Formats: sequence, structure tokens, C-alpha cells
Amino acid sequence: DGGITQSPKYLFRKEGQNVTLSCEQNLNHDAMYWYRQDPGQGLRLIYYSQIVNDFQKGDIAEGYSVSREKKESFPLTVTSAQKNPTAFYLCASTHDRSSGNTIYFGEGSWLTVV
Amino acid sequence: GENVEQHPSTLSVQEGDSAVIKCTYSDSASNYFPWYKQELGKRPQLIIDIRSNVGEKKDQRIAVTLNKTAKHFSLHITETQPEDSAVYFCAARYNNNDMRFGAGTRLTVKP
Repeated sequence: DGGITQSPKYLFRKEGQNVTLSCEQNLNHDAMYWYRQDPGQGLRLIYYSQIVNDFQKGDIAEGYSVSREKKESFPLTVTSAQKNPTAFYLCASTHDRSSGNTIYFGEGSWLTVV
Repeated sequence: GENVEQHPSTLSVQEGDSAVIKCTYSDSASNYFPWYKQELGKRPQLIIDIRSNVGEKKDQRIAVTLNKTAKHFSLHITETQPEDSAVYFCAARYNNNDMRFGAGTRLTVKP
């Protein structure tokens, strides 16, 4: 798990502001994910990417955007269109589609709207 | 989208008893089923996983069973200890590396 770095760990966003959460991995993993977790709730998939320059929407993509310009990086932007962004955000990665390898998580980022 | 259902949402057991958590999935093509343990404010940690070509896997006090026909899999924890208290998530991998999680089970082990 130490190979996935999320930053910042804590972030405060003002109303109407876009913010970007960083996720970097040095595990040479192909697939990367962003999940949202609300207090006492499960993990909901926002976006995932299998390879560079490719990504797919998850269940709750509205109000979020991502990019995958480099294999090791998968930043998530929380836009002003996301009306209730306060949550714990988890980035994850895994090796490739064929092996079914373990999905590893970063330490998470806490986003709060002020 | 694809769906993973997890039950129960909360589970309380006495120390030393067994705990069982069950999940069902919707896509028969799913081929990988991990279980994660999450402590408060921390990231989920993998505790055991099973692939679709195996019916059961065991690691000390933890075991997972898979019924492909019924599309469900279960986590079994024996001889539970207070440090087993946490939230447990099941997950299923769908096509193209789409990984979906259950809603979680909060397990409390009473000393």
C-alpha cells in the first residue's frame, strides 16, 4: 500500500470552488480508481482508468472529472457542480485486467466544504 | 451498473464466537472477489481474496467461500477477538477491471 500516495490528506473547499486531489503510484499498475466514502457508508466508484488516456465513469461521476496522462498519476477534480462533496476520497490501483490482482488503496483524502 | 449486495450491515458477536458476512453479485462473469477490513479513518486493507476457479480459501481464522451458481460469497471469521472489530467490505471485479464494493458490515466483537 505504501506505493500509492494521495495528497492532500485534508482539504477544505469553499462553495463554488474546484479542487483537485492528487493520486500517484509507483507500483507500475495499469488500472487506477477513485472511490468516495461517506461517514458510515460503503465505497462508491467515481471513475476508473484501465490504461493511459482512457477512463470510465463509475456510479457517481457527476460533478467530478479525471485525467490519465501518465500511468502513475490519476488526479481527481471535484468541480463546483458536485453539490455535496464532503467525504473521504480513496484512490486505488491494481495490476492488470487478466490477473485479477489485489487492489491497493492510498491513505485517503478528507474533503470538507466550508 | 453492476451490483454487490452485502449483509448484514451490522454484526455483534461475543469474543470466541464465529462471524459470517455474506455478499451477492450480479454479473456471472465476475472472476475475482476480495474482502477488505477498514478501521476508523483508515484505508481498507485486504484480508483475503478468492478467484472464480476456487470454491473455498482459508487463512488461519479467516475463510472465504464462493458459490458461482448462486452468485454469492461469504467471509467466515472463527474464534473472533476484539481486534477483529472493524468494518468489512466485500468486492467483485467485473469486466475491464471495474471493481465494485458492498456497502460494508460493521463487526463488533464484545470481550
